[in-house]
Amino acid sequence: DAKTTQPPSMDCAEGRAANLPCNHSTISGNEYVYWYRQIHSQGPQYIIHGLKNNETNEMASLIITEDRKSSTLILPHATLRDTAVYYCIVRSFWGTTDSWGKLQFGAGTQVVVTP
Amino acid sequence: EPEVTQTPSHQVTQMGQEVILRCVPISNHLYFYWYRQILGQKVEFLVSFYNNEISEKSEIFDDQFSVERPDGSNFTLKIRSTKLEDSAMYFCASSLQGNEQYFGPGTRLTVT
Repeated sequence: DAKTTQPPSMDCAEGRAANLPCNHSTISGNEYVYWYRQIHSQGPQYIIHGLKNNETNEMASLIITEDRKSSTLILPHATLRDTAVYYCIVRSFWGTTDSWGKLQFGAGTQVVVTP
Repeated sequence: EPEVTQTPSHQVTQMGQEVILRCVPISNHLYFYWYRQILGQKVEFLVSFYNNEISEKSEIFDDQFSVERPDGSNFTLKIRSTKLEDSAMYFCASSLQGNEQYFGPGTRLTVT
Protein backbone atom coordinates (compact mmCIF):
# COMPACT_ATOMS: atom_id res chain seq x y z
CA ASP A 1 0.00 0.00 0.00
CA ALA A 2 1.41 3.36 -1.04
CA LYS A 3 1.81 5.60 1.99
CA THR A 4 3.41 8.47 0.07
CA THR A 5 2.63 10.27 -3.16
CA GLN A 6 5.35 11.91 -5.23
CA PRO A 7 5.37 13.45 -8.71
CA PRO A 8 6.86 10.98 -11.20
CA SER A 9 9.41 13.43 -12.55
CA MET A 10 10.77 16.94 -12.32
CA ASP A 11 13.54 18.96 -13.89
CA CYS A 12 15.86 21.35 -12.15
CA ALA A 13 18.48 23.78 -13.42
CA GLU A 14 22.02 23.30 -12.21
CA GLY A 15 22.88 25.67 -9.38
CA ARG A 16 19.27 26.27 -8.45
CA ALA A 17 17.43 24.83 -5.47
CA ALA A 18 15.43 21.69 -6.12
CA ASN A 19 12.24 21.37 -4.08
CA LEU A 20 10.84 17.84 -4.06
CA PRO A 21 7.33 17.46 -2.67
CA CYS A 22 5.86 14.43 -0.94
CA ASN A 23 2.36 13.82 0.32
CA HIS A 24 1.83 11.47 3.27
CA SER A 25 -1.63 12.41 4.45
CA THR A 26 -2.20 9.15 6.38
CA ILE A 27 1.02 9.33 8.40
CA SER A 28 0.76 8.03 11.97
CA GLY A 29 2.27 9.47 15.12
CA ASN A 30 5.08 6.92 15.27
CA GLU A 31 6.07 7.28 11.61
CA TYR A 32 9.09 9.20 10.43
CA VAL A 33 9.63 10.71 6.99
CA TYR A 34 12.72 9.39 5.24
CA TRP A 35 14.34 10.42 1.98
CA TYR A 36 16.64 8.24 -0.08
CA ARG A 37 17.90 8.59 -3.62
CA GLN A 38 19.11 6.12 -6.22
CA ILE A 39 21.53 7.16 -8.89
CA HIS A 40 21.14 4.94 -11.94
CA SER A 41 21.49 1.26 -10.94
CA GLN A 42 23.45 2.06 -7.78
CA GLY A 43 22.36 1.24 -4.24
CA PRO A 44 19.95 3.67 -2.59
CA GLN A 45 21.64 6.45 -0.69
CA TYR A 46 20.34 7.82 2.61
CA ILE A 47 19.68 11.56 2.52
CA ILE A 48 17.80 12.66 5.61
CA HIS A 49 14.92 11.81 7.94
CA GLY A 50 12.68 13.60 10.41
CA LEU A 51 9.64 13.27 12.63
CA LYS A 52 8.07 16.71 12.89
CA ASN A 53 10.82 19.30 13.12
CA ASN A 54 12.64 20.57 10.08
CA GLU A 55 16.00 18.93 9.58
CA THR A 56 19.15 19.94 7.73
CA ASN A 57 22.37 18.14 6.98
CA GLU A 58 25.21 18.52 4.52
CA MET A 59 23.15 17.07 1.70
CA ALA A 60 19.70 18.57 2.05
CA SER A 61 16.96 20.14 4.14
CA LEU A 62 13.70 18.49 5.09
CA ILE A 63 10.66 20.66 5.70
CA ILE A 64 7.68 18.90 7.30
CA THR A 65 4.34 20.69 7.53
CA GLU A 66 2.86 21.27 10.95
CA ASP A 67 0.12 18.68 10.38
CA ARG A 68 2.80 16.27 9.08
CA LYS A 69 0.70 15.41 6.04
CA SER A 70 3.32 16.55 3.57
CA SER A 71 7.00 17.36 3.34
CA THR A 72 9.52 18.90 0.98
CA LEU A 73 13.09 17.85 0.39
CA ILE A 74 15.29 20.76 -0.60
CA LEU A 75 18.58 20.33 -2.43
CA PRO A 76 19.98 23.85 -2.02
CA HIS A 77 22.26 24.00 -5.05
CA ALA A 78 21.54 21.18 -7.46
CA THR A 79 24.43 19.73 -9.44
CA LEU A 80 24.44 17.32 -12.37
CA ARG A 81 25.41 14.58 -9.91
CA ASP A 82 22.10 15.05 -8.12
CA THR A 83 20.28 13.51 -11.09
CA ALA A 84 18.60 10.47 -9.53
CA VAL A 85 15.33 8.91 -8.41
CA TYR A 86 14.33 10.38 -5.05
CA TYR A 87 12.22 8.32 -2.68
CA CYS A 88 10.06 9.68 0.11
CA ILE A 89 9.33 6.89 2.60
CA VAL A 90 7.23 6.78 5.74
CA ARG A 91 8.77 4.46 8.29
CA SER A 92 7.53 3.27 11.67
CA PHE A 93 9.42 3.44 14.95
CA TRP A 94 8.31 1.69 18.12
CA GLY A 95 9.75 3.36 21.18
CA THR A 96 8.71 0.53 23.51
CA THR A 97 11.02 -1.89 21.74
CA ASP A 98 13.38 0.69 20.23
CA SER A 99 12.81 -0.90 16.83
CA TRP A 100 12.30 0.36 13.30
CA GLY A 101 10.01 -0.91 10.60
CA LYS A 102 11.18 -1.80 7.12
CA LEU A 103 11.87 0.70 4.37
CA GLN A 104 9.17 0.44 1.71
CA PHE A 105 10.22 2.08 -1.52
CA GLY A 106 7.71 3.45 -3.99
CA ALA A 107 8.29 4.65 -7.52
CA GLY A 108 9.87 7.93 -6.39
CA THR A 109 10.50 11.12 -8.36
CA GLN A 110 12.96 11.07 -11.24
CA VAL A 111 14.90 14.31 -10.91
CA VAL A 112 16.93 15.48 -13.87
CA VAL A 113 19.35 18.35 -13.30
CA THR A 114 20.15 20.17 -16.50
CA PRO A 115 23.09 22.50 -17.24
CA GLU B 1 34.40 6.89 4.57
CA PRO B 2 33.28 3.34 5.48
CA GLU B 3 31.19 1.57 2.84
CA VAL B 4 29.13 -1.56 2.45
CA THR B 5 30.73 -3.86 -0.09
CA GLN B 6 29.15 -6.71 -2.04
CA THR B 7 30.54 -9.58 -4.07
CA PRO B 8 30.28 -10.59 -6.78
CA SER B 9 29.13 -7.59 -8.77
CA HIS B 10 27.47 -9.90 -11.29
CA GLN B 11 26.49 -13.54 -10.86
CA VAL B 12 25.12 -15.72 -13.65
CA THR B 13 23.60 -19.04 -12.67
CA GLN B 14 21.38 -21.71 -14.11
CA MET B 15 17.86 -22.28 -12.90
CA GLY B 16 17.78 -24.67 -9.96
CA GLN B 17 21.30 -23.89 -8.80
CA GLU B 18 22.18 -22.50 -5.39
CA VAL B 19 23.74 -19.07 -5.12
CA ILE B 20 25.31 -17.21 -2.24
CA LEU B 21 25.52 -13.44 -2.36
CA ARG B 22 28.04 -11.89 -0.04
CA CYS B 23 28.11 -8.59 1.78
CA VAL B 24 30.57 -6.93 4.12
CA PRO B 25 28.62 -4.40 6.20
CA ILE B 26 30.17 -1.32 7.80
CA SER B 27 32.29 -2.67 10.62
CA ASN B 28 30.53 -1.38 13.75
CA HIS B 29 27.01 -1.73 12.41
CA LEU B 30 24.54 -4.01 14.16
CA TYR B 31 21.55 -4.18 11.81
CA PHE B 32 21.71 -5.88 8.43
CA TYR B 33 19.28 -6.02 5.51
CA TRP B 34 18.75 -7.46 2.06
CA TYR B 35 16.66 -5.82 -0.65
CA ARG B 36 16.17 -6.63 -4.28
CA GLN B 37 15.20 -4.66 -7.38
CA ILE B 38 13.91 -6.40 -10.48
CA LEU B 39 14.88 -4.45 -13.58
CA GLY B 40 12.60 -1.45 -14.01
CA GLN B 41 10.72 -2.08 -10.78
CA LYS B 42 10.76 -0.82 -7.20
CA VAL B 43 13.31 -1.67 -4.55
CA GLU B 44 11.75 -4.43 -2.42
CA PHE B 45 12.56 -5.33 1.17
CA LEU B 46 13.53 -8.97 1.73
CA VAL B 47 14.80 -9.40 5.28
CA SER B 48 16.28 -7.66 8.29
CA PHE B 49 18.73 -9.27 10.71
CA TYR B 50 19.74 -8.20 14.19
CA ASN B 51 21.40 -9.94 17.12
CA ASN B 52 22.01 -13.07 15.03
CA GLU B 53 18.42 -13.61 14.07
CA ILE B 54 15.88 -12.48 11.51
CA SER B 55 13.83 -9.61 12.88
CA GLU B 56 11.51 -9.16 9.92
CA LYS B 57 11.00 -10.73 6.50
CA SER B 58 8.75 -10.11 3.53
CA GLU B 59 6.50 -12.53 1.65
CA ILE B 60 9.21 -12.80 -0.99
CA PHE B 61 11.62 -14.28 1.57
CA ASP B 62 10.30 -17.84 1.48
CA ASP B 63 11.96 -21.16 2.34
CA GLN B 64 14.24 -20.85 -0.66
CA PHE B 65 16.01 -17.90 0.95
CA SER B 66 18.25 -17.84 4.00
CA VAL B 67 20.64 -15.38 5.59
CA GLU B 68 23.67 -15.92 7.71
CA ARG B 69 26.35 -13.95 9.47
CA PRO B 70 29.02 -16.63 9.52
CA ASP B 71 31.70 -14.50 11.13
CA GLY B 72 32.13 -10.98 12.46
CA SER B 73 32.35 -9.37 9.07
CA ASN B 74 30.28 -11.11 6.41
CA PHE B 75 26.53 -11.22 5.85
CA THR B 76 25.25 -13.63 3.21
CA LEU B 77 22.06 -14.28 1.31
CA LYS B 78 21.56 -17.81 -0.01
CA ILE B 79 19.00 -18.81 -2.60
CA ARG B 80 18.74 -22.59 -2.56
CA SER B 81 17.19 -23.32 -5.94
CA THR B 82 17.10 -20.28 -8.18
CA LYS B 83 14.19 -19.48 -10.45
CA LEU B 84 14.10 -17.24 -13.50
CA GLU B 85 12.10 -14.69 -11.49
CA ASP B 86 14.93 -14.38 -8.98
CA SER B 87 16.87 -12.40 -11.57
CA ALA B 88 17.34 -8.98 -10.02
CA MET B 89 19.79 -6.60 -8.40
CA TYR B 90 20.30 -7.57 -4.78
CA PHE B 91 21.30 -4.86 -2.33
CA CYS B 92 22.74 -5.36 1.12
CA ALA B 93 22.41 -2.58 3.71
CA SER B 94 23.63 -2.04 7.24
CA SER B 95 22.82 0.33 10.06
CA LEU B 96 24.33 1.18 13.41
CA GLN B 97 21.10 1.89 15.28
CA GLY B 98 18.47 0.87 12.77
CA ASN B 99 17.62 4.40 11.70
CA GLU B 100 19.98 5.24 8.83
CA GLN B 101 20.60 2.36 6.44
CA TYR B 102 23.63 2.40 4.19
CA PHE B 103 23.41 0.38 1.01
CA GLY B 104 26.04 -1.48 -0.94
CA PRO B 105 26.50 -1.24 -4.71
CA GLY B 106 24.51 -4.41 -5.35
CA THR B 107 24.97 -7.80 -6.99
CA ARG B 108 23.26 -8.34 -10.31
CA LEU B 109 21.91 -11.90 -10.35
CA THR B 110 21.00 -13.37 -13.72
CA VAL B 111 19.24 -16.75 -13.74
CA THR B 112 19.20 -18.52 -17.09
